[in-house]
Amino acid sequence: NAGVMQNPRHLVRRRGQEARLRCSPMKGHSHVYWYRQLPEEGLKFMVYLQKENIIDESGMPKERFSAEFPKEGPSILRIQQVVRGDSAAYFCASEIGGVTEAFFGQGTRLTVV
Amino acid sequence: DQQVKQNSPSLSVQEGRISILNCDYTNSMFDYFLWYKKYPAEGPTFLISISSIKDKNEDGRFTVFLNKSAKHLSLHIVPSQPGDSAVYFCAASVSRGGSEKLVFGKGTKLTVNP
Repeated sequence: NAGVMQNPRHLVRRRGQEARLRCSPMKGHSHVYWYRQLPEEGLKFMVYLQKENIIDESGMPKERFSAEFPKEGPSILRIQQVVRGDSAAYFCASEIGGVTEAFFGQGTRLTVV
Repeated sequence: DQQVKQNSPSLSVQEGRISILNCDYTNSMFDYFLWYKKYPAEGPTFLISISSIKDKNEDGRFTVFLNKSAKHLSLHIVPSQPGDSAVYFCAASVSRGGSEKLVFGKGTKLTVNP
């Protein structure tokens, strides 16, 4: 019964490159959330997805950021043309739906150099 | 605007004593509250939750108290153990059947000294 799996755990990108972060939810979970944690800050909501649908993207920056959760495969958070300010820990959480105890993955630490 | 506030960045207690972590919120629409524990380089781990229809929820050594009129909740850990040393995040959500996104505080780093 694997938990929420995120990869890679660490990602280094040069400014201007693209970053792709992957999240495989727990088995049976069809709801995925992405959160970002900046240094010394709490986790900030970015986007909420169900299979093939974006339900709430109110926390996503308007440009360069996109997310998907296809019918098959993991959820992907994509950051185009990364900048230094994108350096953060990105956490994915999944839940069955209608239950608020979301289970988190171990996160992807993105460093932009 | 910080809707969920944890005003103490850190807390240090002796093993065996009680740890009390506090959290305040401003949004009266929040109706579900959670505490997560986080170790360095790990994801947050769910600890305990409470619905706004209750004022107390207990699970072993962990008890969460909710004071709706004061918009305040607290997490009590008793007795505290060195393994409890971690960052504790308070989180809140509005269960309206749509997006149940969590709003997190900035966390309180708990150190339990042997």
